Amino acid sequence: AQKVTQAQTEISVVEKEDVTLDCVYETRDTTYYLFWYKQPPSGELVFLIRRNSFDEQNEISGRYSWNFQKSTSSFNFTITASQVVDSAVYFCALGTRAQKLVFGQGTRLTINP
Amino acid sequence: EAGVAQSPRYKIIEKRQSVAFWCNPISGHATLYWYQQILGQGPKLLIQFQNNGVVDDSQLPKDRFSAERLKGVDSTLKIQPAKLEDSAVYLCASSVVYGAGSPLHFGNGTRLTVT
Repeated sequence: AQKVTQAQTEISVVEKEDVTLDCVYETRDTTYYLFWYKQPPSGELVFLIRRNSFDEQNEISGRYSWNFQKSTSSFNFTITASQVVDSAVYFCALGTRAQKLVFGQGTRLTINP
Repeated sequence: EAGVAQSPRYKIIEKRQSVAFWCNPISGHATLYWYQQILGQGPKLLIQFQNNGVVDDSQLPKDRFSAERLKGVDSTLKIQPAKLEDSAVYLCASSVVYGAGSPLHFGNGTRLTVT
């Protein structure tokens, strides 16, 4: 069975701090995809990044970076120099050949000014 | 490009009543999804369409939920009769192609409250 665990329910930091959101996944498939989505208060989930199981290169996009480690089944997300606009609920998700996208419980991130 | 459109934005009904939600995906997106998001949880897939055919409805409570996607474009999701536990946000999403690696584009959702 596929499963995504986001152990951090809520995180609160002060603006400009770095923050890492953890994601651990379970699957028996050798081909799979990992995603991060952001859900601001407006409710719409916004796609941030996709990684396939054969690409373990870390990725950086501005203040955002992602660390994919198959050895620990983790796909962590780091925001550097956080800003108030980063406040949202962040979801990690796993897609496999079964085509069903499974989401974690989400991490509510609050950036305080 | 225009995003995924959903209506209504909010709906309050009493238990045992019926309700319907509408979704218009991004133009050209062949795959359409309905997700249920209960407060404090991640979205859970209810049903997935490829064009106007159902690909996966294994988690749809078929005794009360139904969905259709006529002409392979917009879609409606219906609940009849509603139960208290159906209170949730119903999210519609679409993707360009059918596949595990295809990113989903979500609408703003419909927040349903059943009293």
